[in-house]
Amino acid sequence: AQSVAQPEDQVNVAEGNPLTVKCTYSVSGNPYLFWYVQYPNRGLQFLLKYITGDNLVKGSYGFEAEFNKSQTSFHLKKPSALVSDSALYFCAVRDRRSGGSYIPTFGRGTSLIVHP
Amino acid sequence: DGGITQSPKYLFRKEGQNVTLSCEQNLNHDAMYWYRQDPGQGLRLIYYSQIVNDFQKGDIAEGYSVSREKKESFPLTVTSAQKNPTAFYLCASAPQSSYTEQFFGPGTRLTVL
Repeated sequence: AQSVAQPEDQVNVAEGNPLTVKCTYSVSGNPYLFWYVQYPNRGLQFLLKYITGDNLVKGSYGFEAEFNKSQTSFHLKKPSALVSDSALYFCAVRDRRSGGSYIPTFGRGTSLIVHP
Repeated sequence: DGGITQSPKYLFRKEGQNVTLSCEQNLNHDAMYWYRQDPGQGLRLIYYSQIVNDFQKGDIAEGYSVSREKKESFPLTVTSAQKNPTAFYLCASAPQSSYTEQFFGPGTRLTVL
């Protein structure tokens, strides 16, 4: 089965500083990777995805992610953090289930806290 | 205004009662999903449906049941057999393509009293 790991439960960063939220993956074959954001008591919102092509993927709200095949990583980044970026971030990988369906498998989530 | 809705937002249940969570989408998506979210555990898949009148168990289906009689609707019933049902439940939908992202509803917080 495919899986992702988010090694940090929480990331703290000062407003205006660059931020990185880490994700590593374990897949057989080509990985299809996603990042989502969740604000308190809300559903998840899609940020960006990597399917193929350029290793640097740009997404919503100024976020980007870098796919690194040799390090099996897909870290989420933003050049300058905002207090409003404080939220829970989930990395996900497309996983093939018995029966042939492709379903995302999610990481445990990383809480990002941006301090004023 | 297209989207995916869940109701109610908050739900309280006594032990031993069944309860049904609603999920409706008007995005014309074929696939729908139910997840359970607990603090520090990420999202765990309960059931999913790729097409009307068909659904499959996810990773934690015990104590839950679903139906998919209409493309737009995918209700989840939490039965009395679910031993620890207090959680945040998220419904999602997606086009049939396996390369696309999911669209999530706002969630239902279920509390067992």
